[in-house]
Amino acid sequence: SYELTQPPSVSVSPGQTASITCSGDKLGERYVCWYQQRPGQSPVLVIYQDSKRPSGIPERFSGSNSGNTATLTISGTQAMDEADYYCQAWDSSTGVFGGGTKLTVL
Amino acid sequence: QVQLQESGPGLVKPSETLSLTCAVSGYSISSGYYWGWIRQPPGKGLEWIGTIYHSGRSKYNPSLESRVTISVDTSKNQFSLKLSSVTAADTAVYYCARGGRDGYNRPFDSWGQGTLVTVSS
Repeated sequence: SYELTQPPSVSVSPGQTASITCSGDKLGERYVCWYQQRPGQSPVLVIYQDSKRPSGIPERFSGSNSGNTATLTISGTQAMDEADYYCQAWDSSTGVFGGGTKLTVL
Repeated sequence: QVQLQESGPGLVKPSETLSLTCAVSGYSISSGYYWGWIRQPPGKGLEWIGTIYHSGRSKYNPSLESRVTISVDTSKNQFSLKLSSVTAADTAVYYCARGGRDGYNRPFDSWGQGTLVTVSS
């Protein structure tokens, strides 16, 4: 079965840039999306089709996908961005999530 | 704006069947889109369970396929999840969500608030 691997945790200082990676075999050949999940809340889609932002998502969120790695980048990270982030891709119409990355803003 | 709301028993006994319903408002299921179920065990990550189209066509996670049934009721504008032979490992927050308009392989852009289902005797 297809697997996506994320680092368990990433730390960033306020105002700096945070990068969260998602790795999978030939991931660049698939579309990747990213979800933000704050504690006690439902996931929110922040990036789809590798790099597109849904309406209402701040411009500081961006994404890329090439080779075996997709990356979610948060520029000018704010305290409110502290959350769990999950990547997702599809393998033959089967949804696959990464294990999640806890972003700490300190 | 579409809204989704999960409902169902919060406690299910081992070996029994978990049944949940997702009521959709603000959008008619029969107009299109794919609709999915995702779960999250306490303190763990997200797991895709399956996705259904308004026509009834569905796709399931291979690891759960033998126990899962997702159905749609367009007259009530809702879709449902049944998971049979549950064990403690099925304890999780269950989310329903809206997928893409034109295929299974699309992100989930709207989610319900989630409902915790505990499997215990």
